[in-house]
Amino acid sequence: EVQLVESGGGLVQPGGSLRLSCAASGFSFSDHYMEWVRQAPGKGLQWVGRIRNKADNYITEYAASVKGRFTISRDDSQNSLHLQMSSLKIEDTAVYYCIRNDWGILDYWGQGTLVTVSS
Amino acid sequence: EIVLTQSPGTLSLSPGERITLSCRASQTVSSNYLAWYQQKPGQAPRLLIYGASSRATGIPDRFGGSGSATDFTLTISRLEPEDFAVYYCQQYVTSPITFGQGTRLEIK
Repeated sequence: EVQLVESGGGLVQPGGSLRLSCAASGFSFSDHYMEWVRQAPGKGLQWVGRIRNKADNYITEYAASVKGRFTISRDDSQNSLHLQMSSLKIEDTAVYYCIRNDWGILDYWGQGTLVTVSS
Repeated sequence: EIVLTQSPGTLSLSPGERITLSCRASQTVSSNYLAWYQQKPGQAPRLLIYGASSRATGIPDRFGGSGSATDFTLTISRLEPEDFAVYYCQQYVTSPITFGQGTRLEIK
């Protein structure tokens, strides 16, 4: 069974940093691209970014709103995905989802972790 | 980026009814790389449809997707109580991935 479990969310002040993690199991993690999508309270879904697999050189891509502030990484030996967030803004407040990408399709989602940016 | 516009914003319906939700893209979504998701309160989105018309694993056959190019639809042939939720379309043909703003189905 595919499982994705996010952790690391919490309350952080504007300008601060936070690192989210996602533990993957039940599939060959190293074969897949992985994505982050977020959802602000009461709002819709917004793509954050992607990391490709080793075969595609671990290339990362980001939404314009987070580029230069967020960094996605992965550890295939630990089946884990990370999202390092810095220079956080109030508008980054959201539930952050870790998602498996299967040939472009976002087929399995974690339960999400809430990040609140507030003073 | 491809902008997806969903309509209507909210629908109030009764169990047993048939519904069609619309998703219109600002540019052609080639290869029909269009997906639909269902989201219930407090839960993560769940993949329903990919490739515009293929049902994901475990999705009941009352859910159907169709369309091409810039116009796509999600049809639920007969609403069950558990279908009342928010539905999102999403394109994955090009980065950035984009989502529609969602259609909320409410019980009348």
